[in-house]
Amino acid sequence: DAGVIQSPRHEVTEMGQEVTLRCKPISGHNSLFWYRQTMMRGLELLIYFNNNVPIDDSGMPEDRFSAKMPNASFSTLKIQPSEPRDSAVYFCASSIRTGHTDTQYFGPGTRLTVL
Amino acid sequence: AQTVTQSQPEMSVQEAETVTLSCTYDTSESDYYLFWYKQPPSRQMILVIRQEAYKQQNATENRFSVNFQKAAKSFSLKISDSQLGDAAMYFCAYRSATRSEKLVFGKGTKLTVNP
Repeated sequence: DAGVIQSPRHEVTEMGQEVTLRCKPISGHNSLFWYRQTMMRGLELLIYFNNNVPIDDSGMPEDRFSAKMPNASFSTLKIQPSEPRDSAVYFCASSIRTGHTDTQYFGPGTRLTVL
Repeated sequence: AQTVTQSQPEMSVQEAETVTLSCTYDTSESDYYLFWYKQPPSRQMILVIRQEAYKQQNATENRFSVNFQKAAKSFSLKISDSQLGDAAMYFCAYRSATRSEKLVFGKGTKLTVNP
């Protein structure tokens, strides 16, 4: 089975440019998560969706960040305009509840560098 | 808010020996899940083991086992018969069973395996 797919794997852009990160969750999973990993703050949740509906976006840094999930098999995280402090690894993860528990499966991440 | 603390930034172990990584957490909830994730240099986040708080029995997965002490809010990971491929960053994570599905991560422990 294919795991969580993210694209691009690497992105280098200049400050002020728009950046779009993409994610395809595991087929059949109904929750999707966006995390960010930096040296300073570690791994932190940005936003998550359940059945394509945003549930918790308290981790979204500011209005420059936006996320959408138009259908069960695709999500985007957009940064506009990008800033050097947005440089990080962005992970997408998905899960499905089975019984009493669920497990989040992570994609390979997108390493974003903003110059 | 829940917090997860990993007090050992780095650990090392000889190949074939046993090592224990520490994790403590703070929560007022009684029902939750705990996880250990492994992140090798490829940066892929890989689930190692999962523990449900309502279960008294400690989880095991082959060479990996946990010591879950609910009253002490402690969740350590033991790796037996360490292998070179175990070298990675290890992250402890907490997830509420009743509120947000987000994972709250510790800062991680870098494990080195010496041949």
